[in-house]
Amino acid sequence: GAGVSQSPSNKVTEKGKDVELRCDPISGHTALYWYRQRLGQGLEFLIYFQGNSAPDKSGLPSDRFSAERTGESVSTLTIQRTQQEDSAVYLCASSFINEKLFFGSGTQLSVL
Amino acid sequence: ELKVEQNPLFLSMQEGKNYTIYCNYSTTSDRLYWYRQDPGKSLESLFVLLSNGAVKQEGRLMASLDTKARLSTLHITAAVHDLSATYFCAVGLMNRDDKIIFGKGTRLHILP
Repeated sequence: GAGVSQSPSNKVTEKGKDVELRCDPISGHTALYWYRQRLGQGLEFLIYFQGNSAPDKSGLPSDRFSAERTGESVSTLTIQRTQQEDSAVYLCASSFINEKLFFGSGTQLSVL
Repeated sequence: ELKVEQNPLFLSMQEGKNYTIYCNYSTTSDRLYWYRQDPGKSLESLFVLLSNGAVKQEGRLMASLDTKARLSTLHITAAVHDLSATYFCAVGLMNRDDKIIFGKGTRLHILP
């Protein structure tokens, strides 16, 4: 595709439910990032994938958060047993190695 | 651990005035990025700075990088209302294909 695609664009869920967020990066981009942005706040690093290397999971806030990436394509971010503090916009970005990031439009997650 | 600090975090200024946003980072880096985010939107890349002394300009925005001081600046010349947005700097670790860390952002409000 022409850009980074994220789905769904909006997700409303009940506390305690699991959610799965999807990111389709730009074709050929080896690097893929997930960030979290709470309302009016900056970008909080969550996880980084680079090619076939082990992902950098150092930003994941708890063991309820996990992410997978299939080769150099689609990534999914899974949040188990969602809590209200998980409500935020989840942004995915991809890039060629050491080059600028291209961001998707984000998934607005609301946990009721 | 890489830390990125921006200041100011909020700036309200009159049209026609000049101002500078500062971005300090804590460890050696050779990749510095500036992004713009409009309310409710995703992030758009403005500049990529890859070497000491690098300067890039587009329109009324000019970014520079001093790797020795671990400082980048984003200078706004003769501000116009359309530049109202949140501006983020982001830094990648030197010589490593590693995660990119963002500052908290500077919310710029330009008054007519």
